[in-house]
Amino acid sequence: EVQLVQSGAEVKEPGESLKISCKDSGYSFTTYWIAWVRQMPGKGLEWMGIINPSNSDTRYSPSFQGQVTISADNSITTAYLQWSSLKASDTAMYYCARRISSTGAPFEYWGQGTLVTVSS
Amino acid sequence: QSALTQPASVSGSPGQSITISCTGTSSDVGNYNYVSWYQQHPGKAPKLMIYDVSNRPSGVSNRFSGSKSGSTASLTISGLQAEDEADYYCNSYTGSSPLYVFGTGTKVTVL
Repeated sequence: EVQLVQSGAEVKEPGESLKISCKDSGYSFTTYWIAWVRQMPGKGLEWMGIINPSNSDTRYSPSFQGQVTISADNSITTAYLQWSSLKASDTAMYYCARRISSTGAPFEYWGQGTLVTVSS
Repeated sequence: QSALTQPASVSGSPGQSITISCTGTSSDVGNYNYVSWYQQHPGKAPKLMIYDVSNRPSGVSNRFSGSKSGSTASLTISGLQAEDEADYYCNSYTGSSPLYVFGTGTKVTVL
């Protein structure tokens, strides 16, 4: 059974750095792309970006370009989302989601979400 | 690239059918048959309900169906049940940046 298991909730102060993770327990990690999706409190889903773990090809939404970094470590079948300097406005639930390596493919499997709270 | 436009809320009685619209542009919904729909219950992760406009993943009830006309996609839930009460989001591939875009989301209420 495919599972995407995300790291636990985080509470950080503004200006701190953070890296959250998404471990893919399925097979052939490099066959799939992993995306990150933000959901601010009480708001809708926002597509942040996606990475192809096989070659680290990464595409960002213009809204998030330069604000976050998406990466992956094939050796441990894990994708990451990181911030170098958090802002209060980064407070949100973050989901990772997996799609097959096919143009326009949907996000078939989702992680359980990681709640990030940024507050002084 | 702006979010796709969905009605904020749709409601219906048990057993009825409802339809949720998702309006994009000729750059996304109108240009690709890569429209998907996601159901999200409170406090839960989204779940894929429809992909490639009208295909259902294994395990999804056939009460859920999808269609598209021009730049507007639609999700229809027939035989509405209490468990269908949730938020629904459409999503489209764009082929450019951003690669995908979500809809604004629709809250479905079962009366």
